[in-house]
Amino acid sequence: GAGVSQSPRYKVAKRGQDVALRCDPISGHVSLFWYQQALGQGPEFLTYFQNEAQLDKSGLPSDRFFAERPEGSVSTLKIQRTQQEDSAVYLCASSPSAGLEQYFGPGTRLTVT
Amino acid sequence: GESVGLHLPTLSVQEGDNSIINCAYSNSASDYFIWYKQESGKGPQFIIDIRSNMDKRQGQRVTVLLNKTVKHLSLQIAATQPGDSAVYFCAENNYGQNFVFGPGTRLSVLP
Repeated sequence: GAGVSQSPRYKVAKRGQDVALRCDPISGHVSLFWYQQALGQGPEFLTYFQNEAQLDKSGLPSDRFFAERPEGSVSTLKIQRTQQEDSAVYLCASSPSAGLEQYFGPGTRLTVT
Repeated sequence: GESVGLHLPTLSVQEGDNSIINCAYSNSASDYFIWYKQESGKGPQFIIDIRSNMDKRQGQRVTVLLNKTVKHLSLQIAATQPGDSAVYFCAENNYGQNFVFGPGTRLSVLP
């Protein structure tokens, strides 16, 4: 069956631009996670949804980062006024239940110039 | 796809040899651990997991060992194959939803 998909796969933004990254989780998966992966490092937790409720956003690095999942399915991670330090791969993962079994998408590589 | 990481520690092994990848985790209260494999241009892929009430778990060609005394996790891959070349991450979870990932090790399988 279809896995987690993310779009776009690559995004180049000029510093100061806003970007929106989309995640389509596996159908029926309750939990959805966003991670940021800098080059040469492991993924770092950003935020977590259970259905449409954002239960944890403690990993969002600043108020320029915003995530939503309005209907409990597709999620969007929005970054306002992008900075060079935002350049990273943004990974989305979904889980059928409480979150221990996470299926990752291929990621969106964001480059801020 | 693009490389996941260009400056990761690298382990090089001959095809057919066994590989051992190590990970030091940070939280002594963590109760669940996963090893992930990440190939270039892809997201992490689950390999094997272990709970803190175990010290060893085996899968197909892989074994995870957990030493809680020194907060150390290892992944053993038997008869390493070219398809095993990737970056490997350990991740720990502390009774919650958020996994904390280690820095990763690049495994390079030599022909």
